[in-house]
Amino acid sequence: EPEVTQTPSHQVTQMGQEVILRCVPISNHLYFYWYRQILGQKVEFLVSFYNNEISEKSEIFDDQFSVERPDGSNFTLKIRSTKLEDSAMYFCASRGQVLQPQHFGDGTRLSIL
Amino acid sequence: QKEVEQNSGPLSVPEGAIASLNCTYSDRVSQSFFWYRQYSGKSPELIMSIYSNGDKEDGRFTAQLNKASQYVSLLIRDSQPSDSATYLCATHDMNRDDKIIFGKGTRLHILP
Repeated sequence: EPEVTQTPSHQVTQMGQEVILRCVPISNHLYFYWYRQILGQKVEFLVSFYNNEISEKSEIFDDQFSVERPDGSNFTLKIRSTKLEDSAMYFCASRGQVLQPQHFGDGTRLSIL
Repeated sequence: QKEVEQNSGPLSVPEGAIASLNCTYSDRVSQSFFWYRQYSGKSPELIMSIYSNGDKEDGRFTAQLNKASQYVSLLIRDSQPSDSATYLCATHDMNRDDKIIFGKGTRLHILP
């Protein structure tokens, strides 16, 4: 069964550094998402992306965050200057057509020191 | 602010019994409803989706939706120790935005 893959599985970064989280969505999917889950809290929406542009973003997704689909397969989340509170699991998801559910990758655990 | 509410648990159920998980949501126009299972430190895994009022069965799982009461439930029959996990209720409204709103989840513990 096709999967959403994310790399790395764990990223440790010094506060203030830039970090890029990578995702390869399911190949025929058109809609892409990033979510995050702070330890012990609910999964929160960050951003949705369709047709090479952001379709919606949450208030968490401020100017420090950006997303890109640099080629036909990768979907990245960049955090420009990381803060301690960015420590969380980051999940990439993708979806095919309307009403199809979103499928999640295994996540990247981001630890900011 | 759209909300999905769940009892955080833990809900303890003997092995072989029926586990019943409940969820309410605030946004009346939500169209799609999902149950995800999440093991500790892992990603959410979709186990059921339901779009219309009534029951939907898939193996040991039955999802129930009542849009008038803004209520979604998940029944797990013949509970197994491997069912021990956190179950996330989620809603989605494709017409207005494209994000899933998750509840905090209910921790389910199946007692061997």
